[in-house]
Amino acid sequence: AQSVTQLGSHVSVSEGALVLLRCNYSSSVPPYLFWYVQYPNQGLQLLLKYTTGATLVKGINGFEAEFKKSETSFHLTKPSAHMSDAAEYFCAVTPGGGTSYGKLTFGQGTILTVHP
Amino acid sequence: NAGVMQNPRHLVRRRGQEARLRCSPMKGHSHVYWYRQLPEEGLKFMVYLQKENIIDESGMPKERFSAEFPKEGPSILRIQQVVRGDSAAYFCASSPRGTGNTIYFGEGSWLTVV
Repeated sequence: AQSVTQLGSHVSVSEGALVLLRCNYSSSVPPYLFWYVQYPNQGLQLLLKYTTGATLVKGINGFEAEFKKSETSFHLTKPSAHMSDAAEYFCAVTPGGGTSYGKLTFGQGTILTVHP
Repeated sequence: NAGVMQNPRHLVRRRGQEARLRCSPMKGHSHVYWYRQLPEEGLKFMVYLQKENIIDESGMPKERFSAEFPKEGPSILRIQQVVRGDSAAYFCASSPRGTGNTIYFGEGSWLTVV
């Protein structure tokens, strides 16, 4: 079974500041991990994903995340926040390898607010 | 290449009526997933379908909810005798294959039960 915990339902940063959104997961098998972003009244857009290989994953819009197996974490970062980054962010996990398909387990979401 | 298309985007139903939500996957995708997002909650998996087959319906409520993905046409999520607790955003996603693929979400259908 898989689970995801996103620490902090709301995160507020100033424009230009570092963005750090925390995600810890639990999985009985090596996981595939995802970050999605959702703007108000819209669907989910994939930011980045980790499957295998390099543990530092770069995504769209300047975001990146690092898979740390020892810490069971997959935190999302961006060096400099932009006003357009204000949205809700979801971390998700699914079993990796041959058993993986689109049955994702999502965290509760973190709403990012960016102040001018 | 059009993305995952869902309609209607917004649907209002009175208690006891039926709601039908439609999803057309991305071109070339034959696997469809439905998720539900209740207010103040994250997304929850409901059902996974391939053409004419339900593969995994472990997240579907036992009563009133059904899903299909016919050989021709869109996938349909059907909710019979809706209640206020069914008010939520329903998201469809698709992938080209079942395993090892990223899924791509549609814009969602917002159901309001009055």
